[in-house]
Order: sequence, then C-alpha cells, then structure tokens
Amino acid sequence: DAKTTQPTSMDCAEGRAANLPCNHSTISGNEYVYWYRQIHSQGPQYIIHGLKNNETNEMASLIITEDRKSSTLILPHATLRDTAVYYCIVRGISGYSTLTFGKGTMLLVSP
Amino acid sequence: DTAVSQTPKYLVTQMGNDKSIKCEQNLGHDTMYWYKQDSKKFLKIMFSYNNKELIINETVPNRFSPKSPDKAHLNLHINSLELGDSAVYFCASESGRAGNEQFFGPGTRLTVL
Repeated sequence: DAKTTQPTSMDCAEGRAANLPCNHSTISGNEYVYWYRQIHSQGPQYIIHGLKNNETNEMASLIITEDRKSSTLILPHATLRDTAVYYCIVRGISGYSTLTFGKGTMLLVSP
Repeated sequence: DTAVSQTPKYLVTQMGNDKSIKCEQNLGHDTMYWYKQDSKKFLKIMFSYNNKELIINETVPNRFSPKSPDKAHLNLHINSLELGDSAVYFCASESGRAGNEQFFGPGTRLTVL
C-alpha cells in the first residue's frame, strides 16, 4: 500500500502556480520523497525528489515541512502540457527499494 | 536518442498464447524493472533486476518470466496468456544507487482476447 495521501484531483489556470500537496505522516528518517508524473498514455516521468531540504530544478520545486510529514510540489507557471497524474512516493534510501505508486493527483491545467 | 525503449508498443493476442515484450536501455544503468498498469490505472512493480540478477519478484504468477541477457536488456515473457493480463507494461531503469531517478519506457499495451 502507498504510504502517501494526495487529493484525487486539482485544477489550475494556465500560467498560474500549481501547488500539489502530499501527506506522508509515517515517513521514516531514511526515506526520500519522490514526485513523478504520468501524462496520458505515456510512461511515468521523474520530476524531483528530496530528503529534508527544499529542492528546486528546472521543472519544479519541492517544499518539505520541517517534521517531514508532508510536502508540496510546486509547478511555478503551469502550462497545458502539465496536465497529468502526479504521484508522491516515499522511498527508502538504501538497498534496492522500489517505487510504490498510489492513486496520485490528476492535475488539470485549463486555458 | 531513446533512453528506455520497449517493443512492441501494442500487442493483441488470444488467450492461451505465449508472448514476449522487449526492453532496452542505453543509459548504462545497473538496475531494470517491469511494472504493470491495469485498467484502474494502478501502477505496480513486478520485477527488478540488478546486473542481470533478479532482486525483486512481487508475487507475480510463474507464467511471467523475466530474462536479462545483459545489463542493457530486460525482456518479459508471458506464457498461457489470460484475460487478466491485459494491461500496459512499463519497463524502467535506474543507476542502482540510492537517491536516483528511474527512467521509464513508453509502455506496451497488451490486449488479450
């Protein structure tokens, strides 16, 4: 079972920031928070991951609360092509830990 | 240049047949995976290989047999196909070190009639 909780769906206007929340209250100290997305009919695409600190890359920013029990993925200027299912996943640091996908959040970006 | 490729993209076959799906990655990664995404869109891990050795088998029926001829390839052979095998199958690869990202292939949509 997935160890994260996400809203089923969210809407965002094109050009606005999309803030996708995720709860992972049982996360342990040796687990990362990963975000992937899946655009319709395509393979999942890596977005970003973090352990404790906030992270930013060319696609998004990841804000992790100090207690690490929740995080927010921020797409600063959403485009229509960002419409996808977004998955928040916790994954162990060591060994051959797997990605366990939950139901994710369906983000619909509208004109 | 495609990082993770799968063939075929679509596969339609009859119940009881045996079929294979091929996966290749040109990223030099050590670890490869097979995932299954069913009609309800749940994406589940099936197998994981590291340097051609099986390291994860998530209680997949024996009819599914992954084969890794070398580090760059992980093929999935399915015997005696059943209706419930209809799904999209994704291959992925990773460098194998903790904290890295998995690269997914485009998927193979298998339809069993």
